[in-house]
Amino acid sequence: EAGVTQSPTHLIKTRGQQATLRCSPISGHTSVYWYQQALGLGLQFLLWYDEGEERNRGNFPPRFSGRQFPNYSSELNVNALELEDSALYLCASRGQNVYNSPLHFGNGTRLTVT
Amino acid sequence: RKEVEQDPGPFNVPEGATVAFNCTYSNSASQSFFWYRQDCRKEPKLLMSVYSSGNEDGRFTAQLNRASQYISLLIRDSKLSDSATYLCVVNVGGATNKLIFGTGTLLAVQP
Repeated sequence: EAGVTQSPTHLIKTRGQQATLRCSPISGHTSVYWYQQALGLGLQFLLWYDEGEERNRGNFPPRFSGRQFPNYSSELNVNALELEDSALYLCASRGQNVYNSPLHFGNGTRLTVT
Repeated sequence: RKEVEQDPGPFNVPEGATVAFNCTYSNSASQSFFWYRQDCRKEPKLLMSVYSSGNEDGRFTAQLNRASQYISLLIRDSKLSDSATYLCVVNVGGATNKLIFGTGTLLAVQP
């Protein structure tokens, strides 16, 4: 069974540009979560999608947005990039029994803003 | 008070030692609990779920104390390869279905 896949692995952008990060969940998983992990810090919850809808978002500005497609893959968009957006962005998916199922993470996209 | 709190460490222990981590949570409605392991600059990987009755997986034992609102992870006979950051995760559930990560406890096993 293929795991969660994320692309690209690395992304370098300049301040003010836009970044698009992609995630494909484990087959059969309908929930996708996005987290940001800045260097040396913990995981900060960004967004949760389930069945194509945004169910919850963390304490991030509106320039962080995303969507989930009918095949349950997901995109995270970051507009007007700032230097402090440099971080590892992790996508995770979750099985049907949502409350008791653990998250399975992809390898992450390392975004560098210069 | 943070929703999920962990001692950041580092915990420096010799090979073969037994080490225990605690994680406290503030929301009494929390429904499920997990321990993850994260190696430097890598994604977190599930170590084990934490069940109400406690559970064991080889050298690892996880326990839940709902009355005192904490979970624990015990590692016996530490190996060099156990060196990593250990994250506790709490699922608050409900409509928001929030999964809250602790900031992690760094374990360094010394030869």
